[in-house]
Amino acid sequence: GQSLEQPSEVTAVEGAIVQINCTYQTSGFYGLSWYQQHDGGAPTFLSYNGLDGLEETGRFSSFLSRSDSYGYLLLQELQMKDSASYFCAVRKDDKIIFGKGTRLHILP
Amino acid sequence: EPEVTQTPSHQVTQMGQEVILRCVPISNHLYFYWYRQILGQKVEFLVSFYNNEISEKSEIFDDQFSVERPDGSNFTLKIRSTKLEDSAMYFCASTGRAREAFFGQGTRLTVV
Repeated sequence: GQSLEQPSEVTAVEGAIVQINCTYQTSGFYGLSWYQQHDGGAPTFLSYNGLDGLEETGRFSSFLSRSDSYGYLLLQELQMKDSASYFCAVRKDDKIIFGKGTRLHILP
Repeated sequence: EPEVTQTPSHQVTQMGQEVILRCVPISNHLYFYWYRQILGQKVEFLVSFYNNEISEKSEIFDDQFSVERPDGSNFTLKIRSTKLEDSAMYFCASTGRAREAFFGQGTRLTVV
């Protein structure tokens, strides 16, 4: 089967750095993506890793290691507005499969 | 900026009734999807649609569900006889050749 595993919750302090990990058991996918979802809102795309390594987009970075079946999302200089759920996802065949999501709580 | 639009934003229906959820994907996109999300849970894949036909569907997408693209712009999800457990947020999404999926704001379906 195909599955993506993420921690269910992570807590961090405003201004700090937090890493959300994603491990997967699937093969033959095009790349690993990350989506953010605020309460009551739609998932919005954050980043994509097609190749191994680090991709940086402002305060957010994402990493993929296919040999380790592992990726992570790194959020720097955390702001209160970053409180949301974060989903890793893979595009395989004609569907996008999402992990169960990590709820990020940010403390002032 | 192009966006995916969904209507209605909230639908309340009685158990056993049929509902149609509507979506207008981004016009030059190629793949269209329906997902559902039960409150507090993961985003679950229902179905993908490409080249005017279903390309893949999940085990959730049983005979109660159907999708249509009746014209060049709309993409609909029909649930024939709703059950209480169909209550969820339903998201439409579309992708082009890039990796990013664009999601609509969702339709909250409440079955009573």
